Amino acid sequence: GAGVSQSPSNKVTEKGKDVELRCDPISGHTALYWYRQSLGQGLEFLIYFQGNSAPDKSGLPSDRFSAERTGGSVSTLTIQRTQQEDSAVYLCASSWGGNLYGYTFGSGTRLTVV
Amino acid sequence: GEDVEQSLFLSVREGDSSVINCTYTDSSSTYLYWYKQEPGAGLQLLTYIFSNMDMKQDQRLTVLLNKKDKHLSLRIADTQTGDSAIYFCAESKTRSGNTGKLIFGQGTTLQVKP
Repeated sequence: GAGVSQSPSNKVTEKGKDVELRCDPISGHTALYWYRQSLGQGLEFLIYFQGNSAPDKSGLPSDRFSAERTGGSVSTLTIQRTQQEDSAVYLCASSWGGNLYGYTFGSGTRLTVV
Repeated sequence: GEDVEQSLFLSVREGDSSVINCTYTDSSSTYLYWYKQEPGAGLQLLTYIFSNMDMKQDQRLTVLLNKKDKHLSLRIADTQTGDSAIYFCAESKTRSGNTGKLIFGQGTTLQVKP
């Protein structure tokens, strides 16, 4: 597609369950980013993939969070044993590597942990 | 403290100018950005400024950068109700030899009254 696609758009899960959030970046974009937006908060950086380099995981809040990017394209963010404080909108963005002003964001996945 | 700080709320009347302010901490940031987020949507890049510039104008938008004070502002002339949104300031964090990630402020909610 023409834009960054995220699925699902909404997810309600029970506390303690695992969830997987998916991001389909723009074709050809080598960099992919995950951010978290909590109510009343700014965007919190989570993780960043750039080509074949080791990902920058410095923003992952705990070891319950992990992400992978298969084949340099689709990325999955996994949250294990979800907690209520994980409730947020998870935003994915992609860019052509080397083009810092080319970030394109998806519409996000709204995660609610009950 | 936070890397990027913004005031949380601004209210203006339609037709007035809006000025949204931001302070950042990293003097080595190469680019600084303004993003707009409308309700239920992802972030849309409005404009960016290279760190060796002090002003950039793009139609109704004027970006001013005071590198000495690490202060960035976005002026919207003739503000319209369609400009109501959350505006995020962001700075780039580059890794040696590679592009890096954007660090966002908390966002300023702009309310435009008719």
